[in-house]
Amino acid sequence: KAGVTQTPRYLIKTRGQQVTLSCSPISGHRSVSWYQQTPGQGLQFLFEYFSETQRNKGNFPGRFSGRQFSNSRSEMNVSTLELGDSALYLCASSTSSGIYNEQFFGPGTRLTVL
Amino acid sequence: TQLLEQSPQFLSIQEGENLTVYCNSSSVFSSLQWYRQEPGEGPVLLVTVVTGGEVKKLKRLTFQFGDARKDSSLHITAAQPGDTGLYLCAGARGSQGNLIFGKGTKLSVKP
Repeated sequence: KAGVTQTPRYLIKTRGQQVTLSCSPISGHRSVSWYQQTPGQGLQFLFEYFSETQRNKGNFPGRFSGRQFSNSRSEMNVSTLELGDSALYLCASSTSSGIYNEQFFGPGTRLTVL
Repeated sequence: TQLLEQSPQFLSIQEGENLTVYCNSSSVFSSLQWYRQEPGEGPVLLVTVVTGGEVKKLKRLTFQFGDARKDSSLHITAAQPGDTGLYLCAGARGSQGNLIFGKGTKLSVKP
């Protein structure tokens, strides 16, 4: 089975721009979660999508948004980028039938905001 | 407030030494997962512990879940350079929702 894929792997943007990141989950996984990872804060939860609906949301401003498509692929968007948005953005997928909420991560998108 | 505290934050040891990483919380979790992350990659799931007092072994790695399901430890025997990486613990509450991650322990094993 192919793992979770994320595109692009690296991205450089300037303040004020917007960015869209893409995630393709493991085949058959219907839940997709997004995390932001920074050296200071570690992994912080952004949001989770299941069957095209946002099921869970972390404590991030409204500039961070996401969506999920009928094939379970997901995108996240960050508008009006700030320097502090520089981070590794990780996508994770899990099976809806799992009872332990085990998540499988993609390699991440490294976003640098200049 | 960090719900899951990991210690130590950094660990640098020689090949062949043993080490233990701790993951502590005041909250109860339905399960606790350990991940290892290498530079430029996403975290990779190592193990999930679900029962209080449970011990799981993965080759030279031993994972333990506290009796009260609030803490966990990871013990590595005879560490090797290939064990180098960032070790993350993550707590789950039920089968849905987000995982709560500790900030990680950065392990460096020198040959």
